[in-house]
Amino acid sequence: SQQGEEDPQALSIQEGENATMNCSYKTSINNLQWYRQNSGRGLVHLILIRSNEREKHSGRLRVTLDTSKKSSSLLITASRAADTASYFCATDEDDKIIFGKGTRLHILP
Amino acid sequence: EAQVTQNPRYLITVTGKKLTVTCSQNMNHEYMSWYRQDPGLGLRQIYYSMNVEVTDKGDVPEGYKVSRKEKRNFPLILESPSPNQTSLYFCASSLPGSGAFFGQGTRLTVV
Repeated sequence: SQQGEEDPQALSIQEGENATMNCSYKTSINNLQWYRQNSGRGLVHLILIRSNEREKHSGRLRVTLDTSKKSSSLLITASRAADTASYFCATDEDDKIIFGKGTRLHILP
Repeated sequence: EAQVTQNPRYLITVTGKKLTVTCSQNMNHEYMSWYRQDPGLGLRQIYYSMNVEVTDKGDVPEGYKVSRKEKRNFPLILESPSPNQTSLYFCASSLPGSGAFFGQGTRLTVV
């Protein structure tokens, strides 16, 4: 079962601009997480937002969660070349962790 | 340093030859899991473990086995690998309800 689905699949923006990625899911969740993956490497946990939270910040990252719409967004402000990576949302379904297919973000110099 | 260690990083094997990919974490995490990553399909969970001697099937468990005899180790076993198991495999560990730490991945090719 594919729980989270990211949108868009790919995104290219100029360095310094903001990048927004969205995630939709299907069932009720306890929390939603965002991860970053650099080209074939292991995923790195970015931020976790619980179902009773609506917004969370961590440095240049801002995550929102709308449980009524079953959706979340990840905003990266003032993007940098090092932000080029794939970004995944993940949700919990019972005890399983379900990942979406990811958004490939490319920061243009 | 907190880490999840997978071995080997790269493996080429032949169809039917049993193999084991090891995974070890040093953070005393209860939850461990295995994923495979394939182009266009994202990460799919193979098996997970909530604690020692407790394992459960994820979304794509066919053709795989796991064991959790110790808290720190969670090996992935392919009894009879087939070419459709060629993939990039990740092990991860976490505390319940927290973000996961991932290993660096094992790129497996079955010919």
